[in-house]
Formats: sequence, C-alpha cells, structure tokens
Amino acid sequence: GAGVSQSPRYKVAKRGQDVALRCDPISGHVSLFWYQQALGQGPEFLTYFQNEAQLDKSGLPSDRFFAERPEGSVSTLKIQRTQQEDSAVYLCASSSWDEYEQYFGPGTRLTVT
Amino acid sequence: RKEVEQDPGPFNVPEGATVAFNCTYSNSASQSFFWYRQDCRKEPKLLMSVYSSGNEDGRFTAQLNRASQYISLLIRDSKLSDSATYLCVVKPLTGTASKLTFGTGTRLQVTL
Repeated sequence: GAGVSQSPRYKVAKRGQDVALRCDPISGHVSLFWYQQALGQGPEFLTYFQNEAQLDKSGLPSDRFFAERPEGSVSTLKIQRTQQEDSAVYLCASSSWDEYEQYFGPGTRLTVT
Repeated sequence: RKEVEQDPGPFNVPEGATVAFNCTYSNSASQSFFWYRQDCRKEPKLLMSVYSSGNEDGRFTAQLNRASQYISLLIRDSKLSDSATYLCVVKPLTGTASKLTFGTGTRLQVTL
C-alpha cells in the first residue's frame, strides 16, 4: 500500500519567509511524528500527534514552529520567519495504534538562503 | 552529553568482512531499542529491534546490555548493499512513550 508521503520534496526559502510542509501519513495510522534532521546528524524529535491531538510539542525549537493535524490525518508543519539554522530535512513518520514501528516519509529538504 | 552516542565513522570494510557498531545511551529508563538504516538522501527504515537476550536476522545480530547501557550491531559477510548509515535508536519510558531518540549514526562503506 501507499507509504507516508511528504510535499514539497525540496523547498528553498529566503530568510524571513514563511514555509508550510505537508505530511500524508499511512491511511489509518493514528500517530504522527515530525522530526528534524540536520546534515550529518540523526533525526531529532519535534512534535507528536495522536489523531488530531498534539500530545507533545517539546521538541519544537522556537515559537516560529507550529504544527497542526486538524482532521487527524494530514499534518502541516509551518515555520514562520525562516532562519538559516532552520535548513534541514524535515521527516514525518506515522504509526498504527500499537506504535511499534514508525514509518518515515521521504522528507522535505528545506534550504534557507 | 547526547542521550544516544555513536561513533560516526566512516567504517570502510572490504566485502565479506565482519563489522561491529556500538552505541551507548544515557537514560537508564529507556524502554525499547532499535537499529535503523538510512541510505544517502533517503528516509530511515527499521532494520531490527534489539532485545536483552540478543537477536539475529540473517547476517545481522543485535545485542543489548542494560547494565552497561550499551547496544551493538554485528554485520557478518558484508555486502556492497550494506553501505549506509546505521542509526541507534531508543524509545523512552516516561513522557511521550513513542518518541524516538536517535544517535548521530555510524556510516558504513563496504568496498570491493
């Protein structure tokens, strides 16, 4: 079946612009996660949804980062007033109710110039 | 100190060699342990879970030592296709149980 999809795959933004990154999880998966992966590093947790409820946003680096999942399926990660340090790959993952394995999407590579 | 520490490598080994990666974690309350594989410019994919009793999947053997907070991955008879970054991952017991904490990854390059 279809895996996790993310769009856009690549995004170039000028410093100060707002960006919105989309994640389509695997159908029926209640849990959705966002991670940020800087070059040469492992992914770092940003935020977690169970259905439409955002249960943990402790990893969001600043109040410029905002995530939503209004209908419990598609999620959007928004970054306001982008900075160069926001340049990274943003990975979305989803898992089923038993939350054993997280399935990752291909990521959105964000470059802030 | 990072919660999960790995030697970033790279490990350059000839085809057919045996190679071992190690990882240490700092949170003694960690609940579950995994190795993920990440190919260049691709997403991480689960390679295998890690259990205290040790577990094997073909050429791959994973081991967990809770007392030492140490996780290992052994790859026997390396193939060219094993070239990738191997990420050590722990899942915490408290807070958001499902959040994954990744190490920086160990890069493996298998050569002819």
